[in-house]
Amino acid sequence: NAGVTQTPKFQVLKTGQSMTLQCAQDMNHNSMYWYRQDPGMGLRLIYYSASEGTTDKGEVPNGYNVSRLNKREFSLRLESAAPSQTSVYFCASSFLTGSYNEQFFGPGTRLTVL
Amino acid sequence: QQPVQSPQAVILREGEDAVINCSSSKALYSVHWYRQKHGEAPVFLMILLKGGEQKGHEKISASFNEKKQQSSLYLTASQLSYSGTYFCGTAITGTASKLTFGTGTRLQVTL
Repeated sequence: NAGVTQTPKFQVLKTGQSMTLQCAQDMNHNSMYWYRQDPGMGLRLIYYSASEGTTDKGEVPNGYNVSRLNKREFSLRLESAAPSQTSVYFCASSFLTGSYNEQFFGPGTRLTVL
Repeated sequence: QQPVQSPQAVILREGEDAVINCSSSKALYSVHWYRQKHGEAPVFLMILLKGGEQKGHEKISASFNEKKQQSSLYLTASQLSYSGTYFCGTAITGTASKLTFGTGTRLQVTL
């Protein structure tokens, strides 16, 4: 039982390059989330998927797209990376949606955009 | 709007107590607490729901004042393992799909 896994763990991009961050969970959770964490800013929600087949914007969606590929997988895509997207990205999942359920976080992806 | 946490940072000696506060300008349905150790992912501690129900860690206590939209996390007889950054996350309705997290309180426990 691996919980929430994320790939890659580290990534360096040049401005304008694109990439996809992968996230998978094996807990049969319905809801999945993408956060970014910057120093002094806490965790900010980028996008979330309350259930398979649905996605919604969070607080900071600009510059990102997501795909809920199936119940297990939720990917985050940066189409044209910018230095402002340098951050640590966490994927999380919960059995049901946010207000009543604990979230399980993946180990994070540390992204640097030069 | 992000909830406001206080203090921003605190240093304790092992065995001392600490209180971390989380305040919101909006009426809240639930408050969630997470702890994050350096270089690691956040880990769930507990949920406090409107109406008094709590779910989570047996050794950590917290309160939720619905009228003041405030929650406090109580860390008693602190241990070195309590060190980390504590985040509160808030939901404004029972059907809310997402949490809004505060900026965190950094706690350091020393010998």
